[in-house]
Amino acid sequence: NAGVTQTPKFRILKIGQSMTLQCTQDMNHNYMYWYRQDPGMGLKLIYYSVGAGITDKGEVPNGYNVSRSTTEDFPLRLELAAPSQTSVYFCAGGKGVGHGYTFGSGTRLTVV
Amino acid sequence: GESVGLHLPTLSVQEGDNSIINCAYSNSASDYFIWYKQESGKGPQFIIDIRSNMDKRQGQRVTVLLNKTVKHLSLQIAATQPGDSAVYFCAEITKTSGTYKYIFGTGTRLKVLA
Repeated sequence: NAGVTQTPKFRILKIGQSMTLQCTQDMNHNYMYWYRQDPGMGLKLIYYSVGAGITDKGEVPNGYNVSRSTTEDFPLRLELAAPSQTSVYFCAGGKGVGHGYTFGSGTRLTVV
Repeated sequence: GESVGLHLPTLSVQEGDNSIINCAYSNSASDYFIWYKQESGKGPQFIIDIRSNMDKRQGQRVTVLLNKTVKHLSLQIAATQPGDSAVYFCAEITKTSGTYKYIFGTGTRLKVLA
């Protein structure tokens, strides 16, 4: 079991470019989450999903989009990258509230 | 290099002693609370959680205490080990109109002294 796998690990984008951060889990968990972590700060929830076909906004969804066509995959899309989106992005999967989660190793994104 | 937790409050504890990390939360309607740790250069790791209808929950070497009267959450680590050195975050989760809202604290750095 790989758990939660994120790709890429690092990426540099120019302002206005777009990209997709990939997240895959092999734990058959219904719940998946995308967070961002700015330097010296805690996590902020961007989007989450409680199952295939269902997504919902978290605390900081602006500038991002997600989809959940399968239980395994939960990609995060940045359409028009901005410097404010420079951050470390973490994906997580879990069985639901009350069961904890498993985090991926993160994607460090820099927008210049 | 690692940029998480550059200016965080720090708790220094002697190896073998017990650690208590505190967290104040903001919403008295929060349903659920989580503690997680983050080691330098790594992703967060779930430690333990507690529902709002509980006062205490124990795990392996860890105990979470919830005081709803003063909106305070604490994480107790028994017999602290060098591997416990990390930044610890608390999170409160509130369900509003069918949607979960997660708010994470800024973290406390735990340093274990040999």
